[in-house]
Amino acid sequence: DAMVIQNPRYQVTQFGKPVTLSCSQTLNHNVMYWYQQKSSQAPKLLFHYYDKDFNNEADTPDNFQSRRPNTSFCFLDIRSPGLGDAAMYLCATSRGLTSGANVLTFGAGSRLTVL
Amino acid sequence: SQKIEQNSEALNIQEGKTATLTCNYTNYSPAYLQWYRQDPGRGPVFLLLIRENEKEKRKERLKVTFDTTLKQSLFHITASQPADSATYLCALDLYYGGATNKLIFGTGTLLAVQP
Repeated sequence: DAMVIQNPRYQVTQFGKPVTLSCSQTLNHNVMYWYQQKSSQAPKLLFHYYDKDFNNEADTPDNFQSRRPNTSFCFLDIRSPGLGDAAMYLCATSRGLTSGANVLTFGAGSRLTVL
Repeated sequence: SQKIEQNSEALNIQEGKTATLTCNYTNYSPAYLQWYRQDPGRGPVFLLLIRENEKEKRKERLKVTFDTTLKQSLFHITASQPADSATYLCALDLYYGGATNKLIFGTGTLLAVQP
């Protein structure tokens, strides 16, 4: 089945130790998104790629970076995780239609714990 | 300021009854509104979308209404079942044509259906 896969599902890191989360997709979708979701809060968009075009949200901290080496893969790098970065990180994809709604397909998420 | 608000308290209903969830927004003009289901520790899953010029949309036991004057969407689950217990997120699809679009999510409403 076509899907969005996130790895790892659970990541524990120490304060300040860099972390990379990965996302792969077999849907051949143009757009890939990274959302941050803290407990009982709304998923918050960090950034997204339309093909190779990177779109950063204005309030995304510089501590968060992303790479998309090809259509199938996207990475979220957290350069110096703080305690406030502990959250579920959700990767999503969409077709990036030029007309009509864009429905998102999400991965299962990566739960980050910062000690 | 821009806000999306959903019932902050959990909604508890008896099996077989109709669950009605509310999504209100301010200072947005979405082209579409989408509803997602999120189970604990998982990514959201798309359920339904409705266009700005549609009043109502149905899919099996689900019904969505969209009132752009009131800036409100209602999400109904008829003949609810314990398996419907989850968090339901509304999302504004800020798509206006072109390559870049994004979904902004509400905080979600936790629905608990009692057998």
